[in-house]
Parts: sequence; C-alpha cells; structure tokens
Amino acid sequence: AQSVAQPEDQVNVAEGNPLTVKCTYSVSGNPYLFWYVQYPNRGLQFLLKYITGDNLVKGSYGFEAEFNKSQTSFHLKKPSALVSDSALYFCAVRDAESGGYQKVTFGTGTKLQVIP
Amino acid sequence: DGGITQSPKYLFRKEGQNVTLSCEQNLNHDAMYWYRQDPGQGLRLIYYSQIVNDFQKGDIAEGYSVSREKKESFPLTVTSAQKNPTAFYLCASSIFHGSNEKLFFGSGTQLSVL
Repeated sequence: AQSVAQPEDQVNVAEGNPLTVKCTYSVSGNPYLFWYVQYPNRGLQFLLKYITGDNLVKGSYGFEAEFNKSQTSFHLKKPSALVSDSALYFCAVRDAESGGYQKVTFGTGTKLQVIP
Repeated sequence: DGGITQSPKYLFRKEGQNVTLSCEQNLNHDAMYWYRQDPGQGLRLIYYSQIVNDFQKGDIAEGYSVSREKKESFPLTVTSAQKNPTAFYLCASSIFHGSNEKLFFGSGTQLSVL
C-alpha cells in the first residue's frame, strides 16, 4: 500500500528566511509526487509535480521541490518566505503503475506560518 | 473563467435528513471526484466518476451517494446513514482518469450537524 508522511503538523519561519516543508512517501513502483496548497476555507491549489526527469522541480509562487529517490523524500522549499505563503500544504503520491487518480494518497498536511 | 463551483458554502443537516452538495465544472473534464477533509486526516476519497453515467466507490463511500447524469455535474448526497457527516467536502476534476495531470478543486462545502 502506498503512503505519505508529513512529519510536521506546523512549521514556523520568519519572513525572508528559507522554508522547508517535509514529505516522505512509500510506493511499490515509481512515484508521481505532488504538492498542493490550501488557504483557509478554500479548495486545494496545485503547486508542482514530479513525474520523471530532473530531480529539482519548480512550481508556482517561487516554490520548488527536490525528489530524492534514495531517501524517498519530496521536500517543498522556497528561498525566501512571504507572509502570504502562510497556508496548509499537502503532499500527495501516486504509484505510476496504479492507474488512476483514485489511487492518489494525500498526506495529513503541514500548516506553514510565516512570521512578519 | 473556467473552474469548479461548489454550493452551498455552508450547510447544516438535521438528524435523519439527507442533504445534497452541488458540484459543477466548466473545464470540460471527464473525471470528477469527491473528497472529505477532516482536521489532521488529510483528504479521503468518497466517490469518483470517469465518465457520464458511471461512478465508483472510493475509500469511504458508506453513507454517501452520487450521480453523474451530465458531464458538468457531480452532486453528492450525504444520507442519514452517514453518522458522522461533519466535515469539509471538496469536489475535484481532472482531464481524464488515469492521467498524471493535476487535480482542480472547488472551494468546498462545510457540512455541520444541528
């Protein structure tokens, strides 16, 4: 069975500092990996995805994520945090051989708080 | 603008009552999904539909029902059999089922029990 772990319920970072939101995964085959962001009382918005190729993936709003196969991780990063980045972040994984979005597994979410 | 519209934004259910959550998309997507979000639990799949007049149970379908009579619409009914319905419900769509493309989400409906 596939799974996603987001070990931190909340991450606090000062505005202007770099931020990292951690994600590790487990799938039997090759992973498709995603990050989504959720603002209060809103739906999720896509940030970026890793399918294949370059391990460093760049996405929306200056975010990037690094795929590390040996550590089965897909951490979300940003060089300089903004107060407007404060939100709930979800990591998601799908086994490339599983066939279909019903097989996407979401993590439990990490609340990012950027302190002015 | 293309997107997914969920209504109502807030909904209250009395005990023994069925309630229906609306989801409409104008993205021309084939696949649509319903997720339930509870604090600290991430998103769990309730039902999904790959094509009109076809839908499949997800991980937590008990107490819920859906229909897909039109490509644009995928309403979710929370029946009286769902004993713990209080949650944030999210509708989503994707270009086609089985792709590696992103999900598009609506703004959600918060369902509470009176």
